[in-house]
Amino acid sequence: KQEVTQIPAALSVPEGENLVLNCSFTDSAIYNLQWFRQDPGKGLTSLLLIQSSQREQTSGRLNASLDKSSGRSTLYIAASQPGDSATYLCAVGDNTDKLIFGTGTRLQVFP
Amino acid sequence: DAGVIQSPRHEVTEMGQEVTLRCKPISGHDYLFWYRQTMMRGLELLIYFNNNVPIDDSGMPEDRFSAKMPNASFSTLKIQPSEPRDSAVYFCANGFPGGYTFGSGTRLTVV
Repeated sequence: KQEVTQIPAALSVPEGENLVLNCSFTDSAIYNLQWFRQDPGKGLTSLLLIQSSQREQTSGRLNASLDKSSGRSTLYIAASQPGDSATYLCAVGDNTDKLIFGTGTRLQVFP
Repeated sequence: DAGVIQSPRHEVTEMGQEVTLRCKPISGHDYLFWYRQTMMRGLELLIYFNNNVPIDDSGMPEDRFSAKMPNASFSTLKIQPSEPRDSAVYFCANGFPGGYTFGSGTRLTVV
């Protein structure tokens, strides 16, 4: 059974810092991996999608990498801003089309 | 496109009552998922449909839970009878593998 773990569970940093959020999964036979953002009381917004054949994806200040063999993904946030404060979730997709979510990292960026 | 629309946004009900959560997905997408989110267990997949057909309901916790998708424009998740431990945020999501859109969720409180 696939298990997805995210560390740290919570992170509080000053504005301007570069951040790395970690995601690990137990079964490397994944179809894709996605990073989502969730604001308090809101739904999930997809940030980046990495297919199993890809190593990384970039969108603006966000960069996500994938190492299938070691069961790891990282989300890199450059020059963090208070508006980046949210919970970040990674989710792995398998060949049955399901998404299995990690428990999330709650990020707070203070001015 | 208004995205995935869920109703109601909030629901407070007494233990033992029937609860029906509704989802209007984005048209033209094959998959529809129901997730439940709690502080203790994070996001759990309850059931998903492909082309209106239930594919995997192994995440449905008990027989008190049922879900239907009578057509491509509508899905319901019903809990009968409801219990306090069912209190959570319930999300509907749809799309295709790698391209899921989440609704804003229904916050259910069973007292």
